[in-house]
Amino acid sequence: SQQGEEDPQALSIQEGENATMNCSYKTSINNLQWYRQNSGRGLVHLILIRSNEREKHSGRLRVTLDTSKKSSSLLITASRAADTASYFCATINQGAQKLVFGQGTRLTINP
Amino acid sequence: EPEVTQTPSHQVTQMGQEVILRCVPISNHLYFYWYRQILGQKVEFLVSFYNNEISEKSEIFDDQFSVERPDGSNFTLKIRSTKLEDSAMYFCASSDRTGPYEQYFGPGTRLTVT
Repeated sequence: SQQGEEDPQALSIQEGENATMNCSYKTSINNLQWYRQNSGRGLVHLILIRSNEREKHSGRLRVTLDTSKKSSSLLITASRAADTASYFCATINQGAQKLVFGQGTRLTINP
Repeated sequence: EPEVTQTPSHQVTQMGQEVILRCVPISNHLYFYWYRQILGQKVEFLVSFYNNEISEKSEIFDDQFSVERPDGSNFTLKIRSTKLEDSAMYFCASSDRTGPYEQYFGPGTRLTVT
């Protein structure tokens, strides 16, 4: 079955620095999405990038997608303490509805 | 901003008991989902639901599980006879379109089976 795997599993940086998280997957996808989860809370949709797109921006977020390498990256610029959370990539296969989530990256922003 | 709500936030039950987890999707959404996250593990898809029918389900969603939209606003997940391994965070999600689009998640119900 398809699996998304995030790298690193945990990341700790200083406030103001940029944070980069990576995700790899195994099968052909329709799109890849990034979600944020604050501790013990629900999943918040951040950004969706389609398989025919290579880069997308939303505020301080920048997502890239390389379908030849089956990988994606999420860049958060000028990080803030409030960005502390777990970040998950999730993929949807062609013709499917379900999201397939990765293990997540636990991001800690130190003030 | 409209949001998905779930009740209860935490449910403790004894093994073998039935539980019903409730969700109120965003009002104009037509596609509904349940996912679960066992502590420390990935979020896993359970089932999708549209037009009063299950449209897709995972291997996890066996005969012990059922879903229902009893009225125009609620969407429920029932576990008939809970097992210890059903302990997890259960998330409801909804979407206004089917297929590869954004899904909006509720805050989750933490189910603890003792």
